[in-house]
Amino acid sequence: GQSLEQPSEVTAVEGAIVQINCTYQTSGFYGLSWYQQHDGGAPTFLSYNALDGLEETGRFSSFLSRSDSYGYLLLQELQMKDSASYFCATDRDDKIIFGKGTRLHILP
Amino acid sequence: DAGVIQSPRHEVTEMGQEVTLRCKPISGHDYLFWYRQTMMRGLELLIYFNNNVPIDDSGMPEDRFSAKMPNASFSTLKIQPSEPRDSAVYFCASSWGKGLYGYTFGSGTRLTVV
Repeated sequence: GQSLEQPSEVTAVEGAIVQINCTYQTSGFYGLSWYQQHDGGAPTFLSYNALDGLEETGRFSSFLSRSDSYGYLLLQELQMKDSASYFCATDRDDKIIFGKGTRLHILP
Repeated sequence: DAGVIQSPRHEVTEMGQEVTLRCKPISGHDYLFWYRQTMMRGLELLIYFNNNVPIDDSGMPEDRFSAKMPNASFSTLKIQPSEPRDSAVYFCASSWGKGLYGYTFGSGTRLTVV
């Protein structure tokens, strides 16, 4: 089976850096994805890590360590518009299973 | 491309009624997924299709739920009869290939069963 653990909430200050962690227990695991969801909106794809290491896309970076069954999403230069829920997800076979999500609160 | 299109955006129905949710995936995408989102259970995968063929429906809660994909551009999720515990946001998503390229989600259908 697959299970993912991530903090339910994280608070950070505008302009700062925040890291959202994700640990997983998955057999036959292909990669780790991250999605962003604003209130009332749909999840949107941010990144995918198939290999260990850091992937950078603008202000967002994602990291994976298969040996530790661990990954994180790093958001830099936080903006108020980054206030949202962030989901890690693993894919096995053809389907993606999502964690419960981390709600990111940003203080001005 | 207009993205993944779902209808209706909101649906309020009485318990016992039939509900049909609709989805048009992105043209060229070969996978289509139905998810349900609630505060308690998060995003749950209900069923997915590959090239219009249902591959895994193990997430479908019970026989009251059914899904079809008669062609590459259309899918439906039906609940009959509906119950208050079915109230949730239902998302359709499509993708080309597997998770590497990410899923594109529709705007969702907010279902309320009273």
